[in-house]
Amino acid sequence: AQRVTQPEKLLSVFKGAPVELKCNYSYSGSPELFWYVQYSRQRLQLLLRHISRESIKGFTADLNKGETSFHLKKPFAQEEDSAMYYCALNRQGAQKLVFGQGTRLTINP
Amino acid sequence: EPEVTQTPSHQVTQMGQEVILRCVPISNHLYFYWYRQILGQKVEFLVSFYNNEISEKSEIFDDQFSVERPDGSNFTLKIRSTKLEDSAMYFCASSGSEDSYNEQFFGPGTRLTVL
Repeated sequence: AQRVTQPEKLLSVFKGAPVELKCNYSYSGSPELFWYVQYSRQRLQLLLRHISRESIKGFTADLNKGETSFHLKKPFAQEEDSAMYYCALNRQGAQKLVFGQGTRLTINP
Repeated sequence: EPEVTQTPSHQVTQMGQEVILRCVPISNHLYFYWYRQILGQKVEFLVSFYNNEISEKSEIFDDQFSVERPDGSNFTLKIRSTKLEDSAMYFCASSGSEDSYNEQFFGPGTRLTVL
């Protein structure tokens, strides 16, 4: 069975500081990994996916198969980054997202 | 930009009653999903639907649950006899492709409260 773990329920950093939101997964095959974000009073939306290898809003995430991790990073946090962040996994050929429990990120001014 | 919509935003019902949660997926999408999130817990997959059939369902999606695409635009989730533990936020999602790396677009959710 697939599992996604986000060890931090809450993370608070100061504006301008680096941010790292941790995500570890458990899956024996090749996963498709995603970060979804939910800003206050908005819907869940895709932030980035590992297959795209792109930076969105200054965030990047690298799939590390050896450590089974897909940590989300940003070098300089901004106040508008405050949100709930969910790491999610889909197995190849499936359409069923498995979510972590989410990390609430707060950026302090 | 097209969005997934859900109605109602909040539904309160008595235990044992039937509820129908409604979703309008993005118009050219063919793959539809329901997820739920019990307060303080993870977002959990319930069911995926394509070509008028369930593609996959979780162990949560028992005989009390059903899904339907009654017309060309709506996608509904029915809970036949609600239980207290069905209280949760229910999210509908849609995607334009079966590719597992494809983005799923989420609706704003329906908060179901079972009394």
